Amino acid sequence: EDQVTQSPEALRLQEGESSSLNCSYTVSGLRGLFWYRQDPGKGPEFLFTLYSAGEEKEKERLKATLTKKESFLHITAPKPEDSATYLCAVQAGGTSGSRLTFGEGTQLTVNP
Amino acid sequence: ETGVTQTPRHLVMGMTNKKSLKCEQHLGHNAMYWYKQSAKKPLELMFVYNFKEQTENNSVPSRFSPECPNSSHLFLHLHTLQPEDSALYLCASSQISYNEQFFGPGTRLTVL
Repeated sequence: EDQVTQSPEALRLQEGESSSLNCSYTVSGLRGLFWYRQDPGKGPEFLFTLYSAGEEKEKERLKATLTKKESFLHITAPKPEDSATYLCAVQAGGTSGSRLTFGEGTQLTVNP
Repeated sequence: ETGVTQTPRHLVMGMTNKKSLKCEQHLGHNAMYWYKQSAKKPLELMFVYNFKEQTENNSVPSRFSPECPNSSHLFLHLHTLQPEDSALYLCASSQISYNEQFFGPGTRLTVL
């Protein structure tokens, strides 16, 4: 059974204080790992897809990296508007349709 | 309209009521999904439709009945729900040949 564990559950940072969120996964043949951002009362917003170990992707202050067992979402010099819940999901190879298995998320708060 | 839209955004219903949730995607995708998001739990996949055909039912109780009349519209018909069914119901869509799913804003359902 595919499993995704995210840590920490909650993270509070000061504006400008860089940090990383972790996503550990077990999956039978990774087809893709996804990062989403979710604001309160809204649907998840797609951020990145990573396909193979060693791959990195960047968007503004966010950089996602992937190894064979985990992914990190690095946040550089965060701003209060980066406050949100960040979700990680994996898709296994041979999965019917596009089934994603999600973690519980990391709730990030950035204080001014 | 752009992206994925859902109506209504909020719904309060009694256990004996019948109601429907509507989802429409304006992205030209051919796969659509229903997810349930409860507090402190990961997103739970409920149903998957590819080219209007249901390809996955994740052991969802029969009081939830999906309908997909075409690749752009998805409904979730609700009847005789239980209070534990109160949650945020999210619709998503994707292109089958790609993995990224795009979510709507969700319907916040409260069952009294």
